[in-house]
Amino acid sequence: GAGVSQSPSNKVTEKGKDVELRCDPISGHTALYWYRQRLGQGLEFLIYFQGNSAPDKSGLPSDRFSAERTGESVSTLTIQRTQQEDSAVYLCASSRGLAGAYEQYFGPGTRLTVT
Amino acid sequence: AQSVTQLDSHVSVSEGTPVLLRCNYSSSYSPSLFWYVQHPNKGLQLLLKYTSAATLVKGINGFEAEFKKSETSFHLTKPSAHMSDAAEYFCVVSVMNRDDKIIFGKGTRLHILP
Repeated sequence: GAGVSQSPSNKVTEKGKDVELRCDPISGHTALYWYRQRLGQGLEFLIYFQGNSAPDKSGLPSDRFSAERTGESVSTLTIQRTQQEDSAVYLCASSRGLAGAYEQYFGPGTRLTVT
Repeated sequence: AQSVTQLDSHVSVSEGTPVLLRCNYSSSYSPSLFWYVQHPNKGLQLLLKYTSAATLVKGINGFEAEFKKSETSFHLTKPSAHMSDAAEYFCVVSVMNRDDKIIFGKGTRLHILP
C-alpha cells in the first residue's frame, strides 16, 4: 500500500508569509507525528495526534505554529508569519498506535525555505 | 523525563570492519528504544527496536543492538560494514505511558571508507 505522503516537497516563501504543509498518513494509522529537522540536526518533536484524543502540542516552538488533523486522516501544519529560523525539513510520521510500541513510518518531508 | 545522547556526531570505518554507534539514554520509566536510519535523500527507516523483550535485538541489514540497563546504553553494532551503510543514524527513546514522548538523538553520520 501507499506510504506516508507529504506536500509540497519543497516550499520557498518570503519572511512574514503564512505556509501550510500537508501530510497524508497510512490508512488505518491512528497516530500521527510532526517533526522539524534543521540542517545537520536531529529531529525535533512538534506535535502528536492519537485517535480522537486531544493532541500533544508540547513541542510546538511558538504560537505561530499550529496543526490540525481530520479524524484519522490528513493533517496540516500551519506556520504563520514565517521567520528565517523556520527554514527546515518538516517530517510527518504515522504509526498504528503509540510510537513507543509501534514503528513510525516517515514521509519524505517538506523542505521549507524562508527568504 | 527522558533523554538520549548519541556520543559521536561522525564515525568513519573501513569497509568490512565492525561498526559501533553509541547511544546512552535516561528515563524515569521503562523505555522503548529504537534505531532509525536516514539515507541521503531518502526517508527515515526503522532499523530495530527494543520494547522490554530480549535485550539483544536484531534488525535489518545485519545490524543489532544490546539494551544494557546497568549502563543505560543501547549501542548499535554491525560485524562488517558495507558501503551502502553510509547514512545518518538516530537513536530514539520513548516511554509508553499516557504522556508518550518520543525523543530523537542528534544523529551519528556513518562514513564508510573503501
